[in-house]
Amino acid sequence: RKEVEQDPGPFNVPEGATVAFNCTYSNSASQSFFWYRQDCRKEPKLLMSVYSSGNEDGRFTAQLNRASQYISLLIRDSKLSDSATYLCVVNEDDMRFGAGTRLTVKP
Amino acid sequence: SQTIHQWPATLVQPVGSPLSLECTVEGTSNPNLYWYRQAAGRGLQLLFYSVGIGQISSEVPQNLSASRPQDRQFILSSKKLLLSDSGFYLCAWSGRDRGSFFGPGTRLTVL
Repeated sequence: RKEVEQDPGPFNVPEGATVAFNCTYSNSASQSFFWYRQDCRKEPKLLMSVYSSGNEDGRFTAQLNRASQYISLLIRDSKLSDSATYLCVVNEDDMRFGAGTRLTVKP
Repeated sequence: SQTIHQWPATLVQPVGSPLSLECTVEGTSNPNLYWYRQAAGRGLQLLFYSVGIGQISSEVPQNLSASRPQDRQFILSSKKLLLSDSGFYLCAWSGRDRGSFFGPGTRLTVL
């Protein structure tokens, strides 16, 4: 079983749509969680941390469900510029990345 | 502020040749350091991580090795490259609960 698993995608949505990604993890002792964005042929960049109480940054909302061991990312009112691959990360000392979910937002 | 450097940006090497990729971090001390590889269209595969000088944890048995000779220097090496070593190599540092920050990566093509 993979330690971090993501929705396989790809997601193709129209502008303005709401899209959600989920990511499950296997280690119940995991403490830190993050979402990253990776543009084509570029390095991943930190999008947002995921806090236990859930957190929001503009159109982006991240949530953590420890009981079910998953994290989620919700993007509202999606823009063309949101097109990218979104990666979840679960951290102990080794940062474990999910395989990523590709999102394409179309006009 | 912290910055992370990787070089070279691109590299084309013949099968069987050696490899040395260097990563250095500025603006932080005692970071966790990581080497990842990403094959075309695939996710990030953790290769090595280090929590301190001389401390290396290997995730995947293969013909690659890593060393951390200084606090902010992390080196990825191979004695003999394979075709399957082609990929996008990313170095990252972690500020513990702050997430990881990546260098610009090295795109390696083994021919």
